[in-house]
Amino acid sequence: SYELTQPPSVSVSPGQTASITCSGDKLGDKYVCWYQQKPGQSPVLVIYEDTKRPSGIPERFSGSNSGNTATLTISGTQAMDEADYYCQAWDVSTYVFGPGTKVTVL
Amino acid sequence: QVQLVQSGAEVKKPGASVKVSCKASGYIFSDYYMHWVRQAPGQGLEWMGWIRPKSGATNYAQKFQGRVTMTRDTSIRTAYMELNRLRFDDTAVYYCTRDGGSGESDYWGQGTLVTVSS
Repeated sequence: SYELTQPPSVSVSPGQTASITCSGDKLGDKYVCWYQQKPGQSPVLVIYEDTKRPSGIPERFSGSNSGNTATLTISGTQAMDEADYYCQAWDVSTYVFGPGTKVTVL
Repeated sequence: QVQLVQSGAEVKKPGASVKVSCKASGYIFSDYYMHWVRQAPGQGLEWMGWIRPKSGATNYAQKFQGRVTMTRDTSIRTAYMELNRLRFDDTAVYYCTRDGGSGESDYWGQGTLVTVSS
């Protein structure tokens, strides 16, 4: 079965850039999306179709996907961005989630 | 506005079944696939399967095949997920989600906590 990997944690200083990677075999051939989840809340879609932002998602969130790696970038990170982030791909009519990355804003 | 409203928390004994409902509003229910995703305490997201409301077609994750059934009632715009033969490790928050059309969940329900306890 298809698998995605993410780093368990990423730390970033306020105002700096956080990059979260998501790796999988030929991931660049699939659409990747990203979710943000804060404690006690449902996940929120922040990036879909590799690079698109849903309405209401700040411009500081951006995505890319090429080769075997997709990346979620948070530019000018704010304290409110501290959360768990999950990548997800669509593979053979199934969802595949990455294990999640905890982003800490120090 | 799109909303997915799920049924309330459940406590079940091992071996029992649970059925969670998800009522959709704010969009044409039959036009979007519905997924079910669960999250055990302190763990990540786990995909369980989808249902196509228009036809009732389903696709389940291999892990849950034989134990999960997803259905829908289009007349009341509601999807259901039933999990049988519950085990302690089925304790989790269960979410219904709407697929936006490109393999992403653009809307999520509020989650339903299912606790399996003797």
